[in-house]
Parts: sequence; structure tokens; C-alpha cells
Amino acid sequence: DVKVTQSSRYLVKRTGEKVFLECVQDMDHENMFWYRQDPGLGLRLIYFSYDVKMKEKGDIPEGYSVSREKKERFSLILESASTNQTSMYLCASSLVPLYGYTFGSGTRLTVV
Amino acid sequence: DQQVKQNSPSLSVQEGRISILNCDYTNSMFDYFLWYKKYPAEGPTFLISISSIKDKNEDGRFTVFLNKSAKHLSLHIVPSQPGDSAVYFCAAYSGAGSYQLTFGKGTKLSVIP
Repeated sequence: DVKVTQSSRYLVKRTGEKVFLECVQDMDHENMFWYRQDPGLGLRLIYFSYDVKMKEKGDIPEGYSVSREKKERFSLILESASTNQTSMYLCASSLVPLYGYTFGSGTRLTVV
Repeated sequence: DQQVKQNSPSLSVQEGRISILNCDYTNSMFDYFLWYKKYPAEGPTFLISISSIKDKNEDGRFTVFLNKSAKHLSLHIVPSQPGDSAVYFCAAYSGAGSYQLTFGKGTKLSVIP
């Protein structure tokens, strides 16, 4: 069964900490994405990557960075966590968007 | 500017009845549409899709209708079951050269036993 695995289901971090969210896919997909989901705001794209070492900003990249050193792994980095980054973070991958995305189970991040 | 709109944040339906979830889009370049279902504390899962060359696609209890002239699509669930209670996201794709789907904000469906 194909999978997108996010390293943590729940995470609590302090304001100002540097936070790493890891995502690994086993489907050899070119494209990987990071979204956050907030009530009333739906899924908002933070960053995506269409190839190793390539990255593109999404709709809300401020306060975030990403790293894609290997095809199967896409990391989201919160440089200095703030309370307004408390959210559900979802990683996804796709071969081509036409075939849809496969999402991970999500990481519920709370910044205190 | 929101290109994919789900104007109803929530919907309640009795078990056994039909659920109709609506989605409007503004970008005429979109040519493929998908619906995702999301339970709390889980990632969204693919439900059903439709190409712009069709006006209907059916998969068991789920049917998606596309009205291109109105830039409107709808997801019908018949009969609705309590396990269908979830957030449903509409998504659209504009074809070659695009790497990503554009999502609506979602509609929370509650099916009441």
C-alpha cells in the first residue's frame, strides 16, 4: 500500500523554537507539497517541490522554509515558531496532479 | 482571489437521505476536478473525480456532476450514512504546466442517524 508518512502526529513546541516537520513517501513521486489546514480557511499551500532540490512558494510561505535533498523526503521548517503557526500540517505527494494527491495523516502542531 | 469556492461551510442531512455538496470555480482553464474527504486527525483521501469532457461520473453511492457553462460541480451521496460525516474538499486542476491542485475551503457534512 502506497504511503506518505509524517514523522509526528502531535507536536508541542515553544515560541521561538526551530521546528522540523518530516515527510517521506514511498511512491517515487516527483511532486511533494506542504499544506496547513485551519478551520474556515481550508487547505492552504505553504510550499511545494517538483524535483529534488527544487522548491516553489505556495500561498503562505512566510515564516516557513523547506528542504528536499532526496526524492522521497520533503521537510518543512519553521524557523522561529510562533503561536499563529499552531495548525494541522499536511504533507502530500503526486506523480501528476491529474491523478490526485496522496496525503499523510497530518501533524497537529501546537506552539505555546 | 479564490478560484474554487465551496460556499456552504456545513451541511446536515438525515441518514438515508441525499447529501448534495456544491462547488463553484472561476478559472475556465480548469479541466479536471476531484473531491477529497477528510476525517478529523487524518489526512484527506481521494473520493471521486471528473474530467471536463464529461458531465457525470458515478462510483457506488457517490456521483459528481459537472456543469461547465455554469462553472459548477456537485457531489451527491445517496443514501447518506453516518460514516460519511467528514469535511469534503473540492479541488481543480488546470492541466499541463501546472504542478498543483487548487482546493476549496471545504464543507463539513454531518449525517444524523
